[in-house]
Amino acid sequence: QQQVKQSPQSLIVQKGGISIINCAYENTAFDYFPWYQQFPGKGPALLIAIRPDVSEKKEGRFTISFNKSAKQFSLHIMDSQPGDSATYFCAARQRYSTLTFGKGTMLLVSP
Amino acid sequence: NAGVTQTPKFQVLKTGQSMTLQCAQDMNHNSMYWYRQDPGMGLRLIYYSASEGTTDKGEVPNGYNVSRLNKREFSLRLESAAPSQTSVYFCASSEGRSGVSRNTEAFFGQGTRLTVV
Repeated sequence: QQQVKQSPQSLIVQKGGISIINCAYENTAFDYFPWYQQFPGKGPALLIAIRPDVSEKKEGRFTISFNKSAKQFSLHIMDSQPGDSATYFCAARQRYSTLTFGKGTMLLVSP
Repeated sequence: NAGVTQTPKFQVLKTGQSMTLQCAQDMNHNSMYWYRQDPGMGLRLIYYSASEGTTDKGEVPNGYNVSRLNKREFSLRLESAAPSQTSVYFCASSEGRSGVSRNTEAFFGQGTRLTVV
């Protein structure tokens, strides 16, 4: 049973465009929603995270939008750059439990 | 400050062989994790250790064993490797999963690419 559904599986965006990756969850006890970025041959690294008491969090070109009623959250990458090409994972965590990851989105930003 | 260090980086095993993947962290974290990553499957938790002296099964524990040797080290053992265990294995650590600390960031190692033939 997949608790965090991520889409799309892959995404191609032109340089300067907006990349949008979506995640949905069912467990209303989740209280922490991070996004991880993974470059080829490397381990995932935390990119940005949000808690359900806010609807949006922005760090530079990266923004998480969170819709608690719809049980959805998304990552927006503004002004996408070739260096943003990576695999992105959304995740969710219930207090006193471990992270549950989505299946990942492979992003390619074309020059 | 090395973070999370995994050894080896690459390994080829024959079916039925055993091996241990090593992981060490230098961030004084309480919790450590082992994940496997397969194409299209994301990161799946194999085992975790919430604190020194404790281990628990994750989503896909069959065929694996773990040892939390001390606060720094958490090893993953394959007793009798199978081709289905061909994967990239990641070790991770975090300050704690108890929720007492709001710092829940997980730090990952560089991974071990394991092929079982």
